[in-house]
Amino acid sequence: DAKTTQPPSMDCAEGRAANLPCNHSTISGNEYVYWYRQIHSQGPQYIIHGLKNNETNEMASLIITEDRKSSTLILPHATLRDTAVYYCIVRRYSGAGSYQLTFGKGTKLSVIP
Amino acid sequence: KAGVTQTPRYLIKTRGQQVTLSCSPISGHRSVSWYQQTPGQGLQFLFEYFSETQRNKGNFPGRFSGRQFSNSRSEMNVSTLELGDSALYLCASSLEGTGNQWQFFGPGTRLTVL
Repeated sequence: DAKTTQPPSMDCAEGRAANLPCNHSTISGNEYVYWYRQIHSQGPQYIIHGLKNNETNEMASLIITEDRKSSTLILPHATLRDTAVYYCIVRRYSGAGSYQLTFGKGTKLSVIP
Repeated sequence: KAGVTQTPRYLIKTRGQQVTLSCSPISGHRSVSWYQQTPGQGLQFLFEYFSETQRNKGNFPGRFSGRQFSNSRSEMNVSTLELGDSALYLCASSLEGTGNQWQFFGPGTRLTVL
């Protein structure tokens, strides 16, 4: 499995950019990096995913290094509602057309007023 | 489109009983996955169904089972409940299981075993 490593917690001032790092040094060439977040006791929410190129959507930007061994999720202007646990996941092919999300412990992001 | 729905949202059972949880995926989604979330173990994959067939399974005992119907709705069943089965059970759906499709999660069913 391509495991991921994330810091257990981070703080970010409201209105500032939140940069959440993730290491995935054993990622394979065709495996995507996915980011989800989970606000307390709710179902995880999809944020963004990417393979090689940097990606941006209305929620966030994803920067993937050229060697694909690490990535950074950027929330450009963090708000209090962005306080959540953020999971970086390498989506693994499990065979028979099935892809599996393996969640680690994630990063607890606290946005401070 | 309506999101993934799960019923019931909360459930209390006693040890030894069995329980059935239900998941309705987003319309058009054919893949349904189930996850268990506990404070100690985090989010763990249970199994995935696609076109009424289980095509992937995590490391859970046989007491955990599931099925998928022709309309893609899915149920999971836990027999002979144990205290350690208390958890948030999450269902996620996607169009199909390709690497470039992401899963949409439901709100979960909170199961408490007494």
